[in-house]
Amino acid sequence: DGGITQSPKYLFRKEGQNVTLSCEQNLNHDAMYWYRQDPGQGLRLIYYSQIVNDFQKGDIAEGYSVSREKKESFPLTVTSAQKNPTAFYLCASSKGRGNNEQFFGPGTRLTVL
Amino acid sequence: EDQVTQSPEALRLQEGESSSLNCSYTVSGLRGLFWYRQDPGKGPEFLFTLYSAGEEKEKERLKATLTKKESFLHITAPKPEDSATYLCAGTLSGGYNKLIFGAGTRLAVHP
Repeated sequence: DGGITQSPKYLFRKEGQNVTLSCEQNLNHDAMYWYRQDPGQGLRLIYYSQIVNDFQKGDIAEGYSVSREKKESFPLTVTSAQKNPTAFYLCASSKGRGNNEQFFGPGTRLTVL
Repeated sequence: EDQVTQSPEALRLQEGESSSLNCSYTVSGLRGLFWYRQDPGKGPEFLFTLYSAGEEKEKERLKATLTKKESFLHITAPKPEDSATYLCAGTLSGGYNKLIFGAGTRLAVHP
């Protein structure tokens, strides 16, 4: 089955810790994205990557970091500099090159203890 | 400022009671309008893409339409399994494939 997987489903972080959220896709998509979802708000873009070894900041990149070493993988690190990290994190991918349809993974819920 | 606004925030329907969800946008150079369905605790599921005013797309009990200023998601004779949050997003012409999301409409269909 082609799709996007995210792990873990639930993640708990202590104050001052960095944590990494995994996102893998086997759709052969060029572009990948990370969004944050908070109650009552629309999805907000954290980072995006249109091609391997290249990525760009989205609207709320502060306190987050990413890498894109492989086409299939786009991990997100939530650093201790992110002051309010408790949220639902969604990874998405698209074919890129003008094709706009983004497909989402199942999400990771991060809670700070 | 580019913005997407959805209304109502929440909608409660009886099974079989048709209605419409609204998505209005102030996105200059809109390149596409997307509808997603999201169940609690899950990722959004892609439903439709609309590219030009007058375009319509259908899937089972759902029909999406687009005008120059807004999009509607019409739900005909809904069933309880249609209960979900429906998200609308617009994408801009030029640049990368950025989606601007509305906050969603929470739909509850009761038997």
